[in-house]
Amino acid sequence: GDSVTQMEGPVTLSEEAFLTINCTYTATGYPSLFWYVQYPGEGLQLLLKATKADDKGSNKGFEATYRKETTSFHLEKGSVQVSDSAVYFCALSASGGSYIPTFGRGTSLIVHP
Amino acid sequence: EAEVAQSPRYKITEKSQAVAFWCDPISGHATLYWYRQILGQGPELLVQFQDESVVDDSQLPKDRFSAERLKGVDSTLKIQPAELGDSAMYLCASSSLTGSNTEAFFGQGTRLTVV
Repeated sequence: GDSVTQMEGPVTLSEEAFLTINCTYTATGYPSLFWYVQYPGEGLQLLLKATKADDKGSNKGFEATYRKETTSFHLEKGSVQVSDSAVYFCALSASGGSYIPTFGRGTSLIVHP
Repeated sequence: EAEVAQSPRYKITEKSQAVAFWCDPISGHATLYWYRQILGQGPELLVQFQDESVVDDSQLPKDRFSAERLKGVDSTLKIQPAELGDSAMYLCASSSLTGSNTEAFFGQGTRLTVV
């Protein structure tokens, strides 16, 4: 079945450091890929998405590129802020199924001043 | 800005009691999802509705869980009887379209603690 694998956290960085959170996927068909963010005690918010190979999603300084050849969708940000501290979820929605969003386990990011 | 509304935000219940959660999706969204999120893990789908019809409930523990969306708008998820292992965040989400690039909008969730 469809699945998403994320790097384990927590990822701990100092403010202004470079961030990478790895995400790989397994899916039938040609999935769309998403990154969601969850702040403490809150629901999930869409951060960015990409719907086809080589697309780059971007928002609030975060970027991720849909790499079909490596089945990856790694999240990056050039300079993190304390306010970026949250849990980040990689997700897919596969055309071979019923388009139900499938999530990874999440990666906690902690940014220190 | 339109939001998915969920209530209650927090619920503490005793083992073997019944508990219910309510969700009101964004107006006009035909697709509604209930997810369960255990602490430290990603959300796992319990049930998906398209209007008032269940599309997928293969992961719903039907011996104790039930879900309905009678008029194709708001939805209720019920657990009876609750067990200790049901302690989790229950998330409702909705989307306006079907399709692989459809964004799901999430509510703030209901945090359930079973004691």
